[in-house]
Amino acid sequence: GNSVTQMEGPVTLSEEAFLTINCTYTATGYPSLFWYVQYPGEGLQLLLKATKADDKGSNKGFEATYRKETTSFHLEKGSVQVSDSAVYFCALGETGFQKLVFGTGTRLLVSP
Amino acid sequence: EAGVAQSPRYKIIEKRQSVAFWCNPISGHATLYWYQQILGQGPKLLIQFQNNGVVDDSQLPKDRFSAERLKGVDSTLKIQPAKLEDSAVYLCASSLAQTSSGNTIYFGEGSWLTVV
Repeated sequence: GNSVTQMEGPVTLSEEAFLTINCTYTATGYPSLFWYVQYPGEGLQLLLKATKADDKGSNKGFEATYRKETTSFHLEKGSVQVSDSAVYFCALGETGFQKLVFGTGTRLLVSP
Repeated sequence: EAGVAQSPRYKIIEKRQSVAFWCNPISGHATLYWYQQILGQGPKLLIQFQNNGVVDDSQLPKDRFSAERLKGVDSTLKIQPAKLEDSAVYLCASSLAQTSSGNTIYFGEGSWLTVV
């Protein structure tokens, strides 16, 4: 079946450091790919998405490119802030009946 | 625009008791989902509705979990009897349409269940 694998956390960075969170997927068909973010005590919020190969999703300084050849959708940000501290989930949207399959999440901790 | 509403936010019950969670999706959203998120894991789909019909309930433990969406709008998820391993956050989500893989799925803040 379809699955998503994320790098384990926590990822600990200093403010203004470069961020990469790796995500790879296994899927049949042509799924859409998503990054969701979960701040402490809150629900999941969509951060960005890409619906086809080579698409780049971007939002709030974060970006990720849908790489079909490497089945990856790595999340990057050039300069993280303390307010970016959260858990980040990579997910794929299955074709046909729309539902999301999530990775296990990666916790990001940014210190001043 | 109002988001996905869930209640209660927090619930503590003893094992073998029952609990019910309520969800009101974003207005006009035909598809409604219930996900279970155990601490340290990613959310797992329990059940998916399209209007008031069930599309996918393959991962719903039907011996103890039930869900309904009678009028195609709000939904209730029930657990009876609860087990310790049911301690989790129960996330309700909704989206406009079912068959487009690029549609955004919007999540509520979740209902946090602790079974003691």
